[in-house]
Amino acid sequence: QKEVEQDPGPLSVPEGAIVSLNCTYSNSAFQYFMWYRQYSRKGPELLMYTYSSGNKEDGRFTAQVDKSSKYISLFIRDSQPSDSATYLCAMNAGGYQKVTFGTGTKLQVIP
Amino acid sequence: GAVVSQHPSRVICKSGTSVKIECRSLDFQATTMFWYRQFPKQSLMLMATSNEGSKATYEQGVEKDKFLINHASLTLSTLTVTSAHPEDSSFYICSARAALGDGTEAFFGQGTRLTVV
Repeated sequence: QKEVEQDPGPLSVPEGAIVSLNCTYSNSAFQYFMWYRQYSRKGPELLMYTYSSGNKEDGRFTAQVDKSSKYISLFIRDSQPSDSATYLCAMNAGGYQKVTFGTGTKLQVIP
Repeated sequence: GAVVSQHPSRVICKSGTSVKIECRSLDFQATTMFWYRQFPKQSLMLMATSNEGSKATYEQGVEKDKFLINHASLTLSTLTVTSAHPEDSSFYICSARAALGDGTEAFFGQGTRLTVV
């Protein structure tokens, strides 16, 4: 079993839809949870990070962490074609410890 | 956010030659940088952790004599792919950690697409 599981998609939604992206993990030591956006042939770009359980909102993006279920989510409201990219979840136990990535979910927002 | 610059963005080389990729943290000092390899439709695979002023720490299965890492300063790490072969063709990405909020977050370079012909 992989430490981090993420549905690779692809996920296609119409413009304006609410998108839900998810990851599950098995390592209970993970404390920091991150979401990255990666456009084709580019390096990942940090979108959001959260510590421990809870929600965090930034504009159209909301990150949720449920440590009891070992489940994290990223919600995108009013999705735009420019949101079309691969979204990677990532997590680690804190500090400078190794970051473990999901495989990424490819999202396509159709105008 | 923090900026990490990676160069070149794309390189084509002949089999048997060596290629050097640079990773620079532009607005912060990074004592630790990371090198990843990414295959199509797969996640980032950590190759090695680069520590300023000391030897890199390689992940299991990564040949340290083939993938030479040098971290000579707090803002620069280099990855040299020696005696490259077609199977080394991949997307290589570096990242550097910066303090952010309660923890440390990784900021990535733009990636280098290596094609060995």
